[in-house]
Amino acid sequence: DAGVTQSPTHLIKTRGQQVTLRCSPKSGHDTVSWYQQALGQGPQFIFQYYEEEERQRGNFPDRFSGHQFPNYSSELNVNALLLGDSALYLCASSPSINTGELFFGEGSRLTVL
Amino acid sequence: DQQVKQNSPSLSVQEGRISILNCDYTNSMFDYFLWYKKYPAEGPTFLISISSIKDKNEDGRFTVFLNKSAKHLSLHIVPSQPGDSAVYFCAASSSSGNTGKLIFGQGTTLQVKP
Repeated sequence: DAGVTQSPTHLIKTRGQQVTLRCSPKSGHDTVSWYQQALGQGPQFIFQYYEEEERQRGNFPDRFSGHQFPNYSSELNVNALLLGDSALYLCASSPSINTGELFFGEGSRLTVL
Repeated sequence: DQQVKQNSPSLSVQEGRISILNCDYTNSMFDYFLWYKKYPAEGPTFLISISSIKDKNEDGRFTVFLNKSAKHLSLHIVPSQPGDSAVYFCAASSSSGNTGKLIFGQGTTLQVKP
């Protein structure tokens, strides 16, 4: 039973570029959330997707956008990258929007130069 | 504004002894609390949770205590084992059952010495 998988695991971008991160949820899960974890900090909620719609959003600018596909996989897009966007981006899935703890992937480490 | 705080960045205990990790929160709307454990190069993994209608929840060596009046929760690990060495995050949610939006603390690094 595959858990939450994310790609790529590491990537380096320069300021102003755009990045797309991908996530496949755990089998049987239909809800995906994205988190940003800066060095030495706890994960911060970016947004949650359910039924291909953004259901909740944290305090992140519009440069951060996402998408959920019919197979429940999800993408996180960040435009006009800033140095401060360097972080570990974690995808988490849950069996339903209203139940259960989150299952996290290993994350995508983004470095912005 | 840090709504969930873990004031101890690190904790070191001897194998076999008790580990106590603490967490404070400020938002009285939080009604569900969780602890996650994170090893290097891995995503956080769920450990134990507690609803605000309870004050204690046990799962094997792990017990979480909730003091709503003090807005404080703690995780007790007894006995501690070297494999418990990891970063522990406290998290809170204000919409019962919907844990998609969790507010995390900064984490406490636990080292269990053999």
